[in-house]
Amino acid sequence: GQQLNQSPQSMFIQEGEDVSMNCTSSSIFNTWLWYKQDPGEGPVLLIALYKAGELTSNGRLTAQFGITRKDSFLNISASIPSDVGIYFCAGRTDKLIFGTGTRLQVFP
Amino acid sequence: SAVISQKPSRDICQRGTSLTIQCQVDSQVTMMFWYRQQPGQSLTLIATANQGSEATYESGFVIDKFPISRPNLTFSTLTVSNMSPEDSSIYLCSVTTGFLGLYEQYFGPGTRLTVT
Repeated sequence: GQQLNQSPQSMFIQEGEDVSMNCTSSSIFNTWLWYKQDPGEGPVLLIALYKAGELTSNGRLTAQFGITRKDSFLNISASIPSDVGIYFCAGRTDKLIFGTGTRLQVFP
Repeated sequence: SAVISQKPSRDICQRGTSLTIQCQVDSQVTMMFWYRQQPGQSLTLIATANQGSEATYESGFVIDKFPISRPNLTFSTLTVSNMSPEDSSIYLCSVTTGFLGLYEQYFGPGTRLTVT
């Protein structure tokens, strides 16, 4: 099925560093959602974006809905060990399409 | 938000058999979906479970292989039929909440299926 291009594929960072990941598509979306998935769990919704240009924060997380409606990014500030996991973007029109995922590893 | 439970949480099945996965939501929802996540991969939409009518399947997924029931607004089942090792995946139930275009989508914990 269709998937969104997400980068980077993986990141290895030190605790305290900031993280940035993004998602791009050839299609326009009405909504962008960002999820985190821990091993053995289902994806957990982090942030929802509904308007082009919208910038939304949730604690140390900040995400933006791209102006062209074809992209989105997620920033994590001052990373901590529990940020470890796989982050997925997802774009929605009539159904939700997932990105390829970014695997984040945080070293103390 | 919505709280979603799935049964079973995991299973090991023999090839050629079938497994039915149950999804229960704590509130009535209009839209319910089933996703598959193959090992180390992202999530792929299998179908939309429609209440009162047949499910809507995505390209590459067929009703004979993945029959779905949706008897009411809080419950759905997905059956994986005539299983082969290639069906080993995590199967996830998902629901949408919200209105007027402000939709959020939530996922259950998943059912981890291993086919031997």
